[in-house]
Amino acid sequence: DAKTTQPPSMDCAEGRAANLPCNHSTISGNEYVYWYRQIHSQGPQYIIHGLKNNETNEMASLIITEDRKSSTLILPHATLRDTAVYYCIALNTGTASKLTFGTGTRLQVTL
Amino acid sequence: ETGVTQTPRHLVMGMTNKKSLKCEQHLGHNAMYWYKQSAKKPLELMFVYNFKEQTENNSVPSRFSPECPNSSHLFLHLHTLQPEDSALYLCASSQNPGRTQDTQYFGPGTRLTVL
Repeated sequence: DAKTTQPPSMDCAEGRAANLPCNHSTISGNEYVYWYRQIHSQGPQYIIHGLKNNETNEMASLIITEDRKSSTLILPHATLRDTAVYYCIALNTGTASKLTFGTGTRLQVTL
Repeated sequence: ETGVTQTPRHLVMGMTNKKSLKCEQHLGHNAMYWYKQSAKKPLELMFVYNFKEQTENNSVPSRFSPECPNSSHLFLHLHTLQPEDSALYLCASSQNPGRTQDTQYFGPGTRLTVL
């Protein structure tokens, strides 16, 4: 699975959009981009995933560049409860059991 | 609430004790996983079960013994643990690893402290 690179930390004001970037320049054509988050001392929570089209669900939007070398997770109206570590993972779901979490981005939402 | 429950949520045990962690999924999934998360370290995959059969053992010491009696239940039996085994133990489930877009859903974890 391709390596991903994320900034170690970001801040966002409550009510504003949080845009979390992820670089995956070596991603291959059959690898999906998955996003999970982990609130302190809880289990990781699945957020969204995509292959090449932009995706949106009730939690977030995922914007993938046309060349698929990077993506952005967007939380449209961040709340204090969105404070967590966010993980971007490039995953060939032919080997879905090998979900590997890196160090992620620690998002701090502030008043 | 993800549909994956774990008990107990917290466990303190001595090095000579034997204890078990339990995981149950209510999602109708076929695969279940154990992960370990030590302080300030990424998650480490320990075991994978698919249709009750163990398909992955990620070089886990034998003092950790998994059991999967059916697709909905997963146990992790612990014996003669070491203090460095203190960690958050997470269970996850998915519909079918190897299937396109298979997604894992995690339980809340068991915080284990070995004295």
